[in-house]
Amino acid sequence: NAGVTQTPKFRVLKTGQSMTLLCAQDMNHEYMYWYRQDPGMGLRLIHYSVGEGTTAKGEVPDGYNVSRLKKQNFLLGLESAAPSQTSVYFCASTDAGQRGREQYFGPGTRLTVT
Amino acid sequence: SQQGEEDPQALSIQEGENATMNCSYKTSINNLQWYRQNSGRGLVHLILIRSNEREKHSGRLRVTLDTSKKSSSLLITASRAADTASYFCATQGYAGNNRKLIWGLGTSLAVNP
Repeated sequence: NAGVTQTPKFRVLKTGQSMTLLCAQDMNHEYMYWYRQDPGMGLRLIHYSVGEGTTAKGEVPDGYNVSRLKKQNFLLGLESAAPSQTSVYFCASTDAGQRGREQYFGPGTRLTVT
Repeated sequence: SQQGEEDPQALSIQEGENATMNCSYKTSINNLQWYRQNSGRGLVHLILIRSNEREKHSGRLRVTLDTSKKSSSLLITASRAADTASYFCATQGYAGNNRKLIWGLGTSLAVNP
């Protein structure tokens, strides 16, 4: 199993450009998440999804959109990139379940907006 | 919003020594989880401890949970240079509030050879 994969690994954008980050998981997980990580800020949740066709806002959703058209994929879009969106983006997935499950993380996408 | 607060923010020890990191949180939890992040990599799950558990072991890792004090500690015994990483705690709530983890800001551990 590949686990959680993210595409691309690195990207440099100019202010105002758009891009889509792709997350794929092969563990048949119901829940998927997009985080951003900035120095000294820990992990901040951008958007998440609890199933195919559903999405919800996290802590810092402004400037981002997401889609979950297939269970195994979760896309994060930046319509008009801003320098404040320079960050490392992580995707994660987990099983649904009341008793709690760990999250599995992808390797990250390092995005620089100039 | 960040619920967990790790303490200390940074820790530097010699190989072979024990490393202890603490995590405090604010609300009732279903479980608390610890993750490791090597530089430039994704997070890796280490251990999950449920609210009705007080202590859990996994290899050289020992986690304790004190729900009355809303705190947890992670002990790494006989540390190795390969343990150099950032360590994060995350809490999960009960049904209705259990779809997301609430993350702390992490402890940066440096193990010197």
